[in-house]
Amino acid sequence: AQKVTQAQTEISVVEKEDVTLDCVYETRDTTYYLFWYKQPPSGELVFLIRRNSFDEQNEISGRYSWNFQKSTSSFNFTITASQVVDSAVYFCALSEGPTGGFKTIFGAGTRLFVKA
Amino acid sequence: AAGVIQSPRHLIKEKRETATLKCYPIPRHDTVYWYQQGPGQDPQFLISFYEKMQSDKGSIPDRFSAQQFSDYHSELNMSSLELGDSALYFCASRDFRGNTEAFFGQGTRLTVV
Repeated sequence: AQKVTQAQTEISVVEKEDVTLDCVYETRDTTYYLFWYKQPPSGELVFLIRRNSFDEQNEISGRYSWNFQKSTSSFNFTITASQVVDSAVYFCALSEGPTGGFKTIFGAGTRLFVKA
Repeated sequence: AAGVIQSPRHLIKEKRETATLKCYPIPRHDTVYWYQQGPGQDPQFLISFYEKMQSDKGSIPDRFSAQQFSDYHSELNMSSLELGDSALYFCASRDFRGNTEAFFGQGTRLTVV
């Protein structure tokens, strides 16, 4: 069963627009970690953020912000004032605790196009 | 800070050939994970090792094998390569006792022709 769902396959926005990438996860573990990665066309996975299951504080880093809500099992990612350089595939991922061996389970990814 | 090193970065092989991918974890990391990312897909977990022992297994084909050595580096061996094996292969490492996330290498892009 898919444990990380990114319902948006592709999103296209115009530069300077705000955009939110959705992520819903499923786990039975009480200890788990959530991540967002950016994958540019060059292919490497760029780590953006990590959140553990005990820390529901939202976080802002420059133009990026994340909203973690355990009640809805969601971990959404917002880019404010998007730029062309934000164009990439973004993966939401889940790493379960000891029962899951801490391996990373990725969502299907959301491809973001930011047009000038 | 040292990161996960994967080699080679790019590899081109012909069908039915064999390929070996190498992964050098971050120093003091004792756990290694391998992932395969096909074109347009998300990375899929293949196999993991902790302290040189296989700790978990995902959707790894029987034609593939892997091991972790005494210096904690890992190698993924792929035999009888097929066109469908063309993918990005990522290695990640973590410190099992450090309660931290796994850190990913830059990946090896394998092309089978």
